[in-house]
Amino acid sequence: DVKVTQSSRYLVKRTGEKVFLECVQDMDHENMFWYRQDPGLGLRLIYFSYDVKMKEKGDIPEGYSVSREKKERFSLILESASTNQTSMYLCASSLSGGSLYEQYFGPGTRLTVT
Amino acid sequence: GQNIDQPTEMTATEGAIVQINCTYQTSGFNGLFWYQQHAGEAPTFLSYNVLDGLEEKGRFSSFLSRSKGYSYLLLKELQMKDSASYLCAVKRSPSASKIIFGSGTRLSIRP
Repeated sequence: DVKVTQSSRYLVKRTGEKVFLECVQDMDHENMFWYRQDPGLGLRLIYFSYDVKMKEKGDIPEGYSVSREKKERFSLILESASTNQTSMYLCASSLSGGSLYEQYFGPGTRLTVT
Repeated sequence: GQNIDQPTEMTATEGAIVQINCTYQTSGFNGLFWYQQHAGEAPTFLSYNVLDGLEEKGRFSSFLSRSKGYSYLLLKELQMKDSASYLCAVKRSPSASKIIFGSGTRLSIRP
């Protein structure tokens, strides 16, 4: 069974704080993703990583950065949290190669910025 | 621009059949996914269509028409546990990062 875990289910931070969201997968997947999910907007890709130390901006990278120092771990960093970053954050992983990129998702972190 | 449309909410009766539609307009097409997401949980993969036609997997089937930019997810013999959101997602290119999601359809099953 593929397991994608996220460091926290719920997080409350203050405006201006630096926030770290951690994601770990145990299936040796090359690809890892960070999404945010907001009502009425669906999942939107923040950043994507296809290998260690490799990253690609998604559709909404502003205000975020990422780090992938090890294959199994992908971190999302909010440099200076703002209230409009209050959201559900979902991490996912998938294999690379082939046409099917089925993604396995973590349980999500609900972040509230006050 | 990129656009995926699906109904926001649907209601159906236990034991019945329901069809959830998804229409898309994207720059490029390399496959369409359906995911199920129970409230407060992670999305889980249901199906993937890249060619036109119907793919059947137990009680769930997914249909694709590339020329019409249209897909549907068909759920048969509905059970209460099928109450969830169903997400349609389009892969725009072979790149793993080029997947866009619809906002999801929240399906409620009544006894």
